[in-house]
Amino acid sequence: EAGVVQSPRYKIIEKKQPVAFWCNPISGHNTLYWYLQNLGQGPELLIRYENEEAVDDSQLPKDRFSAERLKGVDSTLKIQPAELGDSAVYLCASSLVDGDTQYFGPGTRLTVL
Amino acid sequence: AQKITQTQPGMFVQEKEAVTLDCTYDTSDQSYGLFWYKQPSSGEMIFLIYQGSYDEQNATEGRYSLNFQKARKSANLVISASQLGDSAMYFCAMREGYNTDKLIFGTGTRLQVFP
Repeated sequence: EAGVVQSPRYKIIEKKQPVAFWCNPISGHNTLYWYLQNLGQGPELLIRYENEEAVDDSQLPKDRFSAERLKGVDSTLKIQPAELGDSAVYLCASSLVDGDTQYFGPGTRLTVL
Repeated sequence: AQKITQTQPGMFVQEKEAVTLDCTYDTSDQSYGLFWYKQPSSGEMIFLIYQGSYDEQNATEGRYSLNFQKARKSANLVISASQLGDSAMYFCAMREGYNTDKLIFGTGTRLQVFP
């Protein structure tokens, strides 16, 4: 069974540019999460989806970050415009149902210059 | 106050030896879950083991076991017979309540296994 797929694995952009990350969860997993992991820290939740509905986006900086999961399967996280402080690893995870174990993808390492 | 505390920034262990990675947590909930994840240099968070607050026995998964001491609010990970491939970052995480999805992670412990 394929795991959580994320692309790209690495992205380098200049500040003020837009960037987008893509995630395809494990087949059949209804719940999808985006996490932010700063260097030397554990991941922090940005947004959680139940199917196509964002049920927890309280930690998402909505002035520059947006996310969508239109058909309840894959998801895109966007930053526009990117700032220097956005340099981090963006992790996607999925779980079968609400409350189940979360399985993570390899992450996208973003560097903003 | 931090919800999850991992006090060991780094640990060294010799191959084939056992190692314990510490984790303490803080919650007022009666129902919660504790997780350990491994993060190798490739970046992926790999699920290792889970302990529910109502589980009476310590969780075990192969070479991994969780030393759950509820009164002390600790959930230490024990890796037996360490292998070179165990070298990675290890994160302890907590899910508060039942059927909630928010995981709170600690800052991690970097484990290095040497021959």
